Amino acid sequence: GAVVSQHPSRVICKSGTSVKIECRSLDFQATTMFWYRQFPKQSLMLMATSNEGSKATYEQGVEKDKFLINHASLTLSTLTVTSAHPEDSSFYICSATIAGGVNEQFFGPGTRLTVL
Amino acid sequence: AQSVTQLDSHVSVSEGTPVLLRCNYSSSYSPSLFWYVQHPNKGLQLLLKYTSAATLVKGINGFEAEFKKSETSFHLTKPSAHMSDAAEYFCVVSPTSGTYKYIFGTGTRLKVLA
Repeated sequence: GAVVSQHPSRVICKSGTSVKIECRSLDFQATTMFWYRQFPKQSLMLMATSNEGSKATYEQGVEKDKFLINHASLTLSTLTVTSAHPEDSSFYICSATIAGGVNEQFFGPGTRLTVL
Repeated sequence: AQSVTQLDSHVSVSEGTPVLLRCNYSSSYSPSLFWYVQHPNKGLQLLLKYTSAATLVKGINGFEAEFKKSETSFHLTKPSAHMSDAAEYFCVVSPTSGTYKYIFGTGTRLKVLA
């Protein structure tokens, strides 16, 4: 149980285009979803926290107009990287907590974004 | 404020020898503590978690960790390393209520020598 999927697993795009990454909780309802980015050989950095039906809360230094987060249902959150540039190339990971559940985040397998 | 420190960025052990990955935390209240493992280009897998129950926590794949409040530590151990244990390990601290936000350590890369 508590499986989180991400789609796509890898994406390559041209500079200036937008890319959407989906995060789904497959067998539970997720009150809260988190989006992280991870640069090579580094730890995970929290980008934003999203709750179903409300605006995401972004961490300091994360551009909310560049990284659009939508959490339209209890099982789906999306991250859209707008006007992507090579410096946005990274590993993006989402996680989710179970509605009414204990303190634990369940992680997706990650999405490797490469911007040419 | 909460923080977590992983004392070693790299650890090398020989196959069959014990593993010790060190983690110290700082928290103004009783936190939840986790260890995750990440293999290259993969997501995170939970090894074990402490949530104010037993201080010695057993996890998957033979790993365990002991919560020591007096030392503010939560070190990860395994009696005998296997080649498949080579990966990145993250110690995480989180409040026991509220947003369930995670504070990640910087990670420890475990290398297992044949």
